[in-house]
Amino acid sequence: EAGVTQFPSHSVIEKGQTVTLRCDPISGHDNLYWYRRVMGKEIKFLLHFVKESKQDESGMPNNRFLAERTGGTYSTLKVQPAELEDSGVYFCASSLGRRNTEAFFGQGTRLTVV
Amino acid sequence: GDSVTQMEGPVTLSEEAFLTINCTYTATGYPSLFWYVQYPGEGLQLLLKATKADDKGSNKGFEATYRKETTSFHLEKGSVQVSDSAVYFCALTPGGGSQGNLIFGKGTKLSVKP
Repeated sequence: EAGVTQFPSHSVIEKGQTVTLRCDPISGHDNLYWYRRVMGKEIKFLLHFVKESKQDESGMPNNRFLAERTGGTYSTLKVQPAELEDSGVYFCASSLGRRNTEAFFGQGTRLTVV
Repeated sequence: GDSVTQMEGPVTLSEEAFLTINCTYTATGYPSLFWYVQYPGEGLQLLLKATKADDKGSNKGFEATYRKETTSFHLEKGSVQVSDSAVYFCALTPGGGSQGNLIFGKGTKLSVKP
């Protein structure tokens, strides 16, 4: 069974440009999470989808970030316009719909804004 | 709010040495505690977990005991191998919460030399 996959693995963009990250969760997983690790700091929660609905988006840093999960399958995270401080590794994770089930993580997308 | 503090790295050990990575937490209620590992070029993987006080999580020779009295969840291994070289993250989920809504420490990079 395929794990959580993220595209692209690396992205280098200029300040002011737009970037879209994609996450394909494990098939059948209703929960999808986005996290971000800025260099040298903690991995921070961004938001949580249950199917196509945003359950918790308290970690989204500002309105330049837009996450979608149309149809409750894959998810995209768009950054527009990108700023230097957005650089970091963006992780996606998914889990089954039941409580207390393990979350499985993707390899992450390393975003560098120059 | 809830938080996790783990020892700063990097940690460099010789093969077969004893490993301890300290982790303490601040949380209300009864959180679940986790250790995740990220091997080079890979995503985060759950290494072990404990969901209540005095529980011991163990996997691949690693152990950690949930100590409520000291609010700690230190990771230990009696004899490390070169293949254990990775970044280790301590994390928690607030009591009763989904295992995907994780609060992470900053990570500790471990390098094991032959």
